[in-house]
Amino acid sequence: QKEVEQNSGPLSVPEGAIASLNCTYSDRGSQSFFWYRQYSGKSPELIMSIYSNGDKEDGRFTAQLNKASQYVSLLIRDSQPSDSATYLCAVTLSGGYQKVTFGIGTKLQVIP
Amino acid sequence: GAVVSQHPSWVICKSGTSVKIECRSLDFQATTMFWYRQFPKQSLMLMATSNEGSKATYEQGVEKDKFLINHASLTLSTLTVTSAHPEDSSFYICSAAISSGPGTDTQYFGPGTRLTVL
Repeated sequence: QKEVEQNSGPLSVPEGAIASLNCTYSDRGSQSFFWYRQYSGKSPELIMSIYSNGDKEDGRFTAQLNKASQYVSLLIRDSQPSDSATYLCAVTLSGGYQKVTFGIGTKLQVIP
Repeated sequence: GAVVSQHPSWVICKSGTSVKIECRSLDFQATTMFWYRQFPKQSLMLMATSNEGSKATYEQGVEKDKFLINHASLTLSTLTVTSAHPEDSSFYICSAAISSGPGTDTQYFGPGTRLTVL
């Protein structure tokens, strides 16, 4: 079982719709969870961090964490073509200090 | 805030030569920096964790004598690819960590360096 799992996609949504990106992780002791966006040929850019159960909203982005289910998600409201990118889920595993483990990433395509 | 720079952004070199990549945190001090490598259509692979003033911790399978890491200050880490070969061609990305409390360390990435070895 991979430590951080994501569906590689592509996930296609029409412009203006809600995009839902999901991630599961295997280590129950994980404490920190991150979503990064990576455009093709570029380095990852931090979108959201979440540390406790529940929802965290920042503009059009909402991160959701459920530690009991070992599940973290990212919702993008009013999706725009500029949101088309690969979204990486990253988890700090227990005992790993600052080291994070990345999922393979989900490719999102927002169709105009 | 939380800006990380990398230099050079791209480099082409001949097989057998060494290449040095610099990673700087511009507006914060980072006690820990990380070096990643990413091949096309693959996810980020952590190569090593670099702490200021101490030896880097390399991930399994990464040759420490080939990928030399120096973290001389709280704002600068360097990666030197020694005796580069075509299979070392990749996208090398550094990150620097900021902590806002226990268990909240957040990594910010540099723009990456694309290395092509001929």
